[in-house]
Amino acid sequence: AQSVAQPEDQVNVAEGNPLTVKCTYSVSGNPYLFWYVQYPNRGLQFLLKYITGDNLVKGSYGFEAEFNKSQTSFHLKKPSALVSDSALYFCAVRDRGTGRRALTFGSGTRLQVQP
Amino acid sequence: GAGVSQSPSNKVTEKGKDVELRCDPISGHTALYWYRQSLGQGLEFLIYFQGNSAPDKSGLPSDRFSAERTGGSVSTLTIQRTQQEDSAVYLCASSPFSDDTQYFGPGTRLTVL
Repeated sequence: AQSVAQPEDQVNVAEGNPLTVKCTYSVSGNPYLFWYVQYPNRGLQFLLKYITGDNLVKGSYGFEAEFNKSQTSFHLKKPSALVSDSALYFCAVRDRGTGRRALTFGSGTRLQVQP
Repeated sequence: GAGVSQSPSNKVTEKGKDVELRCDPISGHTALYWYRQSLGQGLEFLIYFQGNSAPDKSGLPSDRFSAERTGGSVSTLTIQRTQQEDSAVYLCASSPFSDDTQYFGPGTRLTVL
């Protein structure tokens, strides 16, 4: 079975400060990892993914994430937060070793960036 | 280009009625997914179609839920005899054959009274 944990329901950060949204995962094999963002009354927008290769993945809107296999983590980061980054963020995983392509999502973390 | 589209955007129905939700995937995408987003359960996988292969129905919560994908493109999710616990946002996603990235539509908000 595969699972994702996002331990923080909400993260508050001041505009211009760095932000981190945490994600840990559990799969029996090797993971495919994803981050999505959801703005109010909108669907999920893809931010970035880790498939293989470089552990530091760069994505849209200046976001990046670091894959850490020993800690089974895939934290989302941004060097300088914007008010417009305020949204709901979801981490998702898929076990690369299975043929099953459905994603398992975390419970989501609400990011609030204060001006 | 055009993204994934879903209709209707909102649907209000009475308990016991049947509903149909529609998804138009991105042109050329071979894989199509349905998920459900609700306050209590978060984001849950429902069903997955890939080309002409048998769909993965492992996430469907009961036999009241079914889905079809016609001609490898448009999909319809049908919920029979709706219950109040079916109230949720139903999200559709599609992906190309060679890529695991799923692109989501705006969702259909279903309210069962």
